Amino acid sequence: ETGVTQSPTHLIKTRGQQVTLRCSSQSGHNTVSWYQQALGQGPQFIFQYYREEENGRGNFPPRFSGLQFPNYSSELNVNALELDDSALYLCASRRGTITSTDTQYFGPGTRLTVL
Amino acid sequence: GQNIDQPTEMTATEGAIVQINCTYQTSGFNGLFWYQQHAGEAPTFLSYNVLDGLEEKGRFSSFLSRSKGYSYLLLKELQMKDSASYLCAVRNNFNKFYFGSGTKLNVKP
Repeated sequence: ETGVTQSPTHLIKTRGQQVTLRCSSQSGHNTVSWYQQALGQGPQFIFQYYREEENGRGNFPPRFSGLQFPNYSSELNVNALELDDSALYLCASRRGTITSTDTQYFGPGTRLTVL
Repeated sequence: GQNIDQPTEMTATEGAIVQINCTYQTSGFNGLFWYQQHAGEAPTFLSYNVLDGLEEKGRFSSFLSRSKGYSYLLLKELQMKDSASYLCAVRNNFNKFYFGSGTKLNVKP
């Protein structure tokens, strides 16, 4: 148990739809990162939020967007879903400033299937 | 760019020792992490190295050589429950994490 929770656990959508995934960070953690993990691959960094602002983005198109709220929980939104968006979406939280060296802890993930 | 390489799959016997290697090339370095991931589950943190040398935590040890861009994870006294994927991840100077594709470890009786 890392104290990081995600919802929903599983989700099935069709191509072209939009989806919102949610993450509650561990108490005291103010930085949340989102990752996409395709089957048999390592997690790929999508973006990171620190104190409600996006702070760094990986190689993902603008249809991947996010939010962080004052309580440090976060949302990942994906518009115009494509079949290749089918993956496990992981959020991870950590504490401290952008330059802190604390490790991050992962939530259980949301399994998204796009048909 | 970021490039992190680790073997795709390894097999070892219960009770033995196994070493999983990771080589990396990244723009900026601020620590190397190892995670364990069981099938269908989230990664869990195992170890962290930011300086050269060996870090030991029970049955798990991790080694780092920054000049060689190289790390390994050493698992001793293997147990069946150690069958999982092991992910090597590098954090860059902007605190972003980049993961390798993972090494699937099969532990046989």
